Amino acid sequence: AQSVTQPDIHITVSEGASLELRCNYSYGATPYLFWYVQSPGQGLQLLLKYFSGDTLVQGIKGFEAEFKRSQSSFNLRKPSVHWSDAAEYFCAVGAAPDMRFGAGTRLTVKP
Amino acid sequence: SQTIHQWPATLVQPVGSPLSLECTVEGTSNPNLYWYRQAAGRGLQLLFYSVGIGQISSEVPQNLSASRPQDRQFILSSKKLLLSDSGFYLCAWSVGGFEQYFGPGTRLTVT
Repeated sequence: AQSVTQPDIHITVSEGASLELRCNYSYGATPYLFWYVQSPGQGLQLLLKYFSGDTLVQGIKGFEAEFKRSQSSFNLRKPSVHWSDAAEYFCAVGAAPDMRFGAGTRLTVKP
Repeated sequence: SQTIHQWPATLVQPVGSPLSLECTVEGTSNPNLYWYRQAAGRGLQLLFYSVGIGQISSEVPQNLSASRPQDRQFILSSKKLLLSDSGFYLCAWSVGGFEQYFGPGTRLTVT
């Protein structure tokens, strides 16, 4: 069965520092992978997606993610974090309706 | 472009009262529609999905039900709310079964 693990419940970074959010997945075939962001009290916004091809995918808001099949990982990165990036981030695997979401990583940005 | 609406944005209801949450999508035809619940500090739980008018699949047995009276309208209902029904309810749509796009959510508090 497919599943997603986000090992970090909460991460704090300073504004301007780099960011990496971890995501590990379990999936029987070539996975469809996604990262979503959720601001407090809001819905989820799609940051980026991976279906096939280039393993480094670019998304909105300056985010990127790298698919590593050998490590079953799809980590999200940003070179310089802005205060507005403070939010909850969800990794997801699979195709709807069988999409599985991780429990989320809450990002706090220090001034 | 496509947009998705949910209302109400917040709702406080007593235990045992009925519930009706509405979701509508604009700018697309024959979308797949989904209802998720997000409990505090937890990930997303798929409740129902629909691939067409009158077609509802339930993922979790509970006292909630869903209906799709029109192509772009999805309704979540309950005859009698329980305390455990409190949470953040998200509607989402997809075309082709890949990435999903989420609405702004409804915060339900059952007292």
